Amino acid sequence: QKEVEQDPGPLSVPEGAIVSLNCTYSNSAFQYFMWYRQYSRKGPELLMYTYSSGNKEDGRFTAQVDKSSKYISLFIRDSQPSDSATYLCAIMTTDSWGKLQFGAGTQVVVTP
Amino acid sequence: DGGITQSPKYLFRKEGQNVTLSCEQNLNHDAMYWYRQDPGQGLRLIYYSQIVNDFQKGDIAEGYSVSREKKESFPLTVTSAQKNPTAFYLCASRAGSFLAKNIQYFGAGTRLSVL
Repeated sequence: QKEVEQDPGPLSVPEGAIVSLNCTYSNSAFQYFMWYRQYSRKGPELLMYTYSSGNKEDGRFTAQVDKSSKYISLFIRDSQPSDSATYLCAIMTTDSWGKLQFGAGTQVVVTP
Repeated sequence: DGGITQSPKYLFRKEGQNVTLSCEQNLNHDAMYWYRQDPGQGLRLIYYSQIVNDFQKGDIAEGYSVSREKKESFPLTVTSAQKNPTAFYLCASRAGSFLAKNIQYFGAGTRLSVL
């Protein structure tokens, strides 16, 4: 079993819809949670970073962490065609020397 | 501009050949990482380095080698022992161990293909 599970999609939504992405993880020692966005043939760029249960909001993006369920989510409100990309969750423990465990990435397509 | 530069963008390898991928950062970051990305598999860690002249194997180090002679440089060599090298290779760096700096920043990647 992988340490981080993420549905690869693709997930297709109409412009303006809410995009809902999620990952589950198995190691309760994970403490830091990140979401990266990756456009085709580019390197990932950090979208959201959190280390506690609850919600964190940044513009149209909301990251949600539920440590009791080992479940993290990313919501994109008012989605735009420019949001079409692959979204990767990444998780880390406190003593892992910065090593990240990545999900497989979910491909999102926002259609005009 | 500060950032991570990977070169070349595209690389082709012949059978039995070693090839080296370059990664340079001017962010003054201590730690550097190499990942391999295959379709549907996310990123897998090949090697990482916390300080100059020191590096550790990641999850899939077989067939790869690295060096860290300078803080800003972390080249990856894909050796002939790596039988399935076709993939997208990503280099990343991280500032340090403090909470606010526990973030990895990525380069634009090198796409390696076998001829």
